[in-house]
Amino acid sequence: GAVVSQHPSRVICKSGTSVKIECRSLDFQATTMFWYRQFPKQSLMLMATSNEGSKATYEQGVEKDKFLINHASLTLSTLTVTSAHPEDSSFYICSVRGPGNTIYFGEGSWLTVV
Amino acid sequence: GESVGLHLPTLSVQEGDNSIINCAYSNSASDYFIWYKQESGKGPQFIIDIRSNMDKRQGQRVTVLLNKTVKHLSLQIAATQPGDSAVYFCAETAAGNTGKLIFGQGTTLQVKP
Repeated sequence: GAVVSQHPSRVICKSGTSVKIECRSLDFQATTMFWYRQFPKQSLMLMATSNEGSKATYEQGVEKDKFLINHASLTLSTLTVTSAHPEDSSFYICSVRGPGNTIYFGEGSWLTVV
Repeated sequence: GESVGLHLPTLSVQEGDNSIINCAYSNSASDYFIWYKQESGKGPQFIIDIRSNMDKRQGQRVTVLLNKTVKHLSLQIAATQPGDSAVYFCAETAAGNTGKLIFGQGTTLQVKP
């Protein structure tokens, strides 16, 4: 079964609105989770590292005020895309480092901004 | 800066043949490498990994080879099947194996029946 769950799997939102994507670690506690973005026919690009109980660490070029990350518990990280624009339409994927340093990915969330 | 790249964007093979997907990495400090398979609309699926203290690792129908001298990684798939059709990514961990991955560009594997 799934180790990492993402919700929603697909979401459509209007331009200018905000949308929240959840990443849950189902089998173990995770102090660190990672958020990636993937545009069509491109690779995964790390956006940020979500740290439980502290601020997220953003990669260069990723706007922290636009992509809000909250890691309020050891099993849940959320990514909120604020004031979404059509260019934010993408596949958002989270990952979790589990026991033995194995990395588990969620099934991804498709965001379409219209 | 750090980067991981793939040599070929698309690889087309006949069913039953062996496939070889290549990857070049640039960070000599990376010590853990992973191959992922991604089917359309899904998250990456772990295939096989290798640590920098190894040259070769075998799994079921898959083999990963690591050449640290030239910073090259390859994935070999034996007896390729239609279900192997997907995009394959290599990834390296940032130094310290924090779980943060740097992905290559991806190779699309097309298996012809």
